[in-house]
Amino acid sequence: QEKVQQSPESLIVPEGAMVSLNCSFSDSASQSIWWYQQHPGKGPKALISIFSNGNKKEGRLTVYLNRASLHVSLHIKDSQPSDSAVYLCAVINTGANTGKLTFGHGTILRVHP
Amino acid sequence: GPKVLQIPSHQIIDMGQMVTLNCDPVSNHLYFYWYKQILGQQMEFLVNFYNGKVMEKSKLFKDQFSVERPDGSYFTLKIQPTALEDSAVYFCASSLEGQGERLFFGHGTKLSVL
Repeated sequence: QEKVQQSPESLIVPEGAMVSLNCSFSDSASQSIWWYQQHPGKGPKALISIFSNGNKKEGRLTVYLNRASLHVSLHIKDSQPSDSAVYLCAVINTGANTGKLTFGHGTILRVHP
Repeated sequence: GPKVLQIPSHQIIDMGQMVTLNCDPVSNHLYFYWYKQILGQQMEFLVNFYNGKVMEKSKLFKDQFSVERPDGSYFTLKIQPTALEDSAVYFCASSLEGQGERLFFGHGTKLSVL
């Protein structure tokens, strides 16, 4: 069964800082990895995904995937107070064609002005 | 952007009663999901549904659970009878395809079983 571990559990940074969030997964045969953002009382919102080894940049977000080490990271440049949320790493087995996501426990991010 | 609506946002019922959670998925989406999140714990997959059928379900999807989407209306999760451990937030999601596509989530229905 796929396991997804995230670190750190929580993070407090000043506005404008670079944020780095980590995620490790157990199945090397995966899969796309998604990062979701979840604000209190709301459902998760998809931010960015990666399938191939390497990195992918979208706006202030950059994600890095290393399949050999089963590790993916999300970096948020120039963080804003509105980025304060829980960040969820989720792994999907594209081969199974079921769309099932396995989530990590999340990292709580707080960006203070 | 596309929205998934969940009704109601909060439901309180007595143990043993039946409850139906309703989800209005994104209109052109074909895959539908239910996830369960207990306070302080990770989001866990319950079931997915495509073309009128359950494709995959987890061990959390007990025999008391059922899903359907009659005639393209609401996608529903029914629990009959409910148990105390069913108390959680239930999130509905939908996607256009099943292969690595982003899922669009609703805001959840908080179910409290007393």
